[in-house]
Amino acid sequence: QSVLTQPPSVSGAPGQKVTISCTGTISNIESGNDVHWYQQLPGAAPRLLISHNDNRPSGVPERFSGSNSGTSASLAISGLQAEDEAEYFCQSFDTGLSAPIFGGGTQLTVL
Amino acid sequence: QVHLQQWGAGLLKPAETLSLTCGVYGGSPRFYSWNWIRQPPGRGLEWIGTISYSGSTTYSPSLKSRVTLSLDTSNDRLSLRLHSVTAADTALYYCARGTVNLNFYMDVWGTGTTVKVSS
Repeated sequence: QSVLTQPPSVSGAPGQKVTISCTGTISNIESGNDVHWYQQLPGAAPRLLISHNDNRPSGVPERFSGSNSGTSASLAISGLQAEDEAEYFCQSFDTGLSAPIFGGGTQLTVL
Repeated sequence: QVHLQQWGAGLLKPAETLSLTCGVYGGSPRFYSWNWIRQPPGRGLEWIGTISYSGSTTYSPSLKSRVTLSLDTSNDRLSLRLHSVTAADTALYYCARGTVNLNFYMDVWGTGTTVKVSS
């Protein structure tokens, strides 16, 4: 069981927008720790998508955006494309565990 | 462009020691943290540990008693050793470059090494 909670799956049609949530606790997200997001295509290693809540590394399309309300974080993907079909993981730091932690992952299906 | 190449034994028996190496190519390992992450079949990501360029280490509390990370700066190679493996250690193991702050992120990942523990 992961420390950060993500929905197991989300889906959307091409062109639509989907949002993936990442909920934590007072030991991590709620204490102000930033959230990072990774995309894992089938059979591939994870790829950094968003760092520190809302920073997009060079090469990541503007369709991907992140936010953090202080109680939970979200990854939004607009203008869905077939190539976005992948698993998405959030990551933060848990002060109680003194360790980086991940969400359980969300499988995105493009219908 | 930095890339990470991993190698090591992929099939182990219970109680043996897992040993993986990760080579850093195309850039210096200075100014970064170096991390090992694993992913059991069909499951999420689990942090194993982090080593800095200076050699200081932090480990997952659940694996701390069995893990050793090292960094050979003479040839830019990281190593992971996990002792007394069981079937629960069966996973895809990744090395990854990270930033050096407490809440670090990982921006370069190795291709992964599949490790299976079976008698």
